[in-house]
Amino acid sequence: AQSVAQPEDQVNVAEGNPLTVKCTYSVSGNPYLFWYVQYPNRGLQFLLKYITGDNLVKGSYGFEAEFNKSQTSFHLKKPSALVSDSALYFCAVRDISNFNKFYFGSGTKLNVKP
Amino acid sequence: DTAVSQTPKYLVTQMGNDKSIKCEQNLGHDTMYWYKQDSKKFLKIMFSYNNKELIINETVPNRFSPKSPDKAHLNLHINSLELGDSAVYFCASSQDGSGGPSYEQYFGPGTRLTVT
Repeated sequence: AQSVAQPEDQVNVAEGNPLTVKCTYSVSGNPYLFWYVQYPNRGLQFLLKYITGDNLVKGSYGFEAEFNKSQTSFHLKKPSALVSDSALYFCAVRDISNFNKFYFGSGTKLNVKP
Repeated sequence: DTAVSQTPKYLVTQMGNDKSIKCEQNLGHDTMYWYKQDSKKFLKIMFSYNNKELIINETVPNRFSPKSPDKAHLNLHINSLELGDSAVYFCASSQDGSGGPSYEQYFGPGTRLTVT
């Protein structure tokens, strides 16, 4: 069955330090992978995606993610965290073989402290 | 300029009532969705329409009925509201078909439904 796992409910990092938010996936075919961010009382905002091509994808606000097929992972990274990055982050996988259905992870709360 | 809009933003109502939430997207996308986000922030897909045709209908009570009058609109009507329906409902859209699919979803701001 298709699924997405975000093993950390919360990630704490100091401003200026690098951050990583972890995501692993399970999908039967080629994975279409996405990261979204949700600020309080807002809808989800698209950050970046991996469909095909380079394993390192760059997205909005300086975020990037690395697709690792052997480890079935798609971790979100940023070299230098900002306090304004504090939000809820969702990883998602799209199952192209099943009506393009999206599967979302449970979310990881990122806290960036000054 | 709003890409995906929803009305109303807040909805407070009593058990047993019927209510509707409206969604419109001006992105020219061919696919629209309804999601429910519970108090633990877990996102669950409810319905998906592609070019006005229902393609995903998850195990949602039949008190929930989506309607897509055209590609740009997807409304959600809920009959006989229950306490457990309290949640934030998100509309989303994506471009999946011809004309260059991009696959990512764009979300509306959400409708916070509170049933008392």
